[in-house]
Amino acid sequence: DADVTQTPRNRITKTGKRIMLECSQTKGHDRMYWYRQDPGLGLRLIYYSFDVKDINKGEISDGYSVSRQAQAKFSLSLESAIPNQTALYFCATSDPGPYVGEQFFGPGTRLTVL
Amino acid sequence: GQQLNQSPQSMFIQEGEDVSMNCTSSSIFNTWLWYKQDPGEGPVLLIALYKAGELTSNGRLTAQFGITRKDSFLNISASIPSDVGIYFCAGQRNFGNEKLTFGTGTRLTIIP
Repeated sequence: DADVTQTPRNRITKTGKRIMLECSQTKGHDRMYWYRQDPGLGLRLIYYSFDVKDINKGEISDGYSVSRQAQAKFSLSLESAIPNQTALYFCATSDPGPYVGEQFFGPGTRLTVL
Repeated sequence: GQQLNQSPQSMFIQEGEDVSMNCTSSSIFNTWLWYKQDPGEGPVLLIALYKAGELTSNGRLTAQFGITRKDSFLNISASIPSDVGIYFCAGQRNFGNEKLTFGTGTRLTIIP
């Protein structure tokens, strides 16, 4: 079984709809992240959480919110989706340790907003 | 926000050729990492570099941490079909702060 899972894997929705993307991990890591990937722009950080009580904005948090329900679960919400939020979304986890910087990514959710 | 500039943006090569790509920044990073994303998957770490000037290999891959701490390089020798994908550099400014800044990616395609 995959260590970091994301649901759904694909989603098509309409402008103005509320959408939730979910991420679960079995790695036992405290730190979790949400990124979006756009062609030619690489991966950009939306939100991150260093433990259950900690939530921080990344570089592109406008239009998004998150919830850290447990150590293993980190959800990303789009309260009112708009077309320029069409992208590939990745969840990642990490654990402080000797390999500083290594993050483990889920398989991604492809979101299309019409 | 800060992003790392990767070049080239895309590469089309024949199997067996060597590949070189680089990543540059206007500011200093204390850790450089290289990730690979296979089609339909999330990125996976290939190599991590922690010291300016460091040269590290992982099989046919070799990466270097630039002396100025503002750049990094990745070389792939004797490319094979499974090397296809998108390669991302990532930098980390402060040890223990695991926010990563990612590059724009280099898409590698191998021509049969």
